[in-house]
Amino acid sequence: DVKVTQSSRYLVKRTGEKVFLECVQDMDHENMFWYRQDPGLGLRLIYFSYDVKMKEKGDIPEGYSVSREKKERFSLILESASTNQTSMYLCASSSETANYGYTFGSGTRLTVV
Amino acid sequence: GENVEQHPSTLSVQEGDSAVIKCTYSDSASNYFPWYKQELGKGPQLIIDIRSNVGEKKDQRIAVTLNKTAKHFSLHITETQPEDSAVYFCAASLGFNKFYFGSGTKLNVKP
Repeated sequence: DVKVTQSSRYLVKRTGEKVFLECVQDMDHENMFWYRQDPGLGLRLIYFSYDVKMKEKGDIPEGYSVSREKKERFSLILESASTNQTSMYLCASSSETANYGYTFGSGTRLTVV
Repeated sequence: GENVEQHPSTLSVQEGDSAVIKCTYSDSASNYFPWYKQELGKGPQLIIDIRSNVGEKKDQRIAVTLNKTAKHFSLHITETQPEDSAVYFCAASLGFNKFYFGSGTKLNVKP
């Protein structure tokens, strides 16, 4: 069964901490994405990557950075966590050669206190 | 960029009734329109999709229709069951890159 795995389901971090959210996919997909999900706002794109060591800003990149050193792994970094970054974070992957859209991970619910 | 609007934000139906969720998009170049179902505590799962060269697609109790001229597409669920209760998201994209999502519809199917 193909999978996108997010390393943590729940995280609680303190304001100002540097936070790493990890995502790994086993489908050899070229494209990987980080979204945050907030009630009433749907899914908003933070960053995405079409290839190793490549990254592109999404619609809400402020306060975040990403790293993609290997094809299967895409990390989201909160440089200095703030309370307004409390949210559900979803990782997804896709492939141009596949015949379907995104495959999502189960999400990481991050609380910044 | 693309803008996807989704309505209603909440929908409550009686078991056995039909449910319809509607989305509009702004970019006429978009050519792929998936629908995702998100159950509590889980990531969104693809349930059906449609490409711009097709007007309608069915999969058992679920169907999606697309009107390219009006730039809107809809999800239809017939004979709803309690297990259909979830949040549903529509999306639009050009190819399989960079989806733009609607704000979601919370469907509640009452037994």
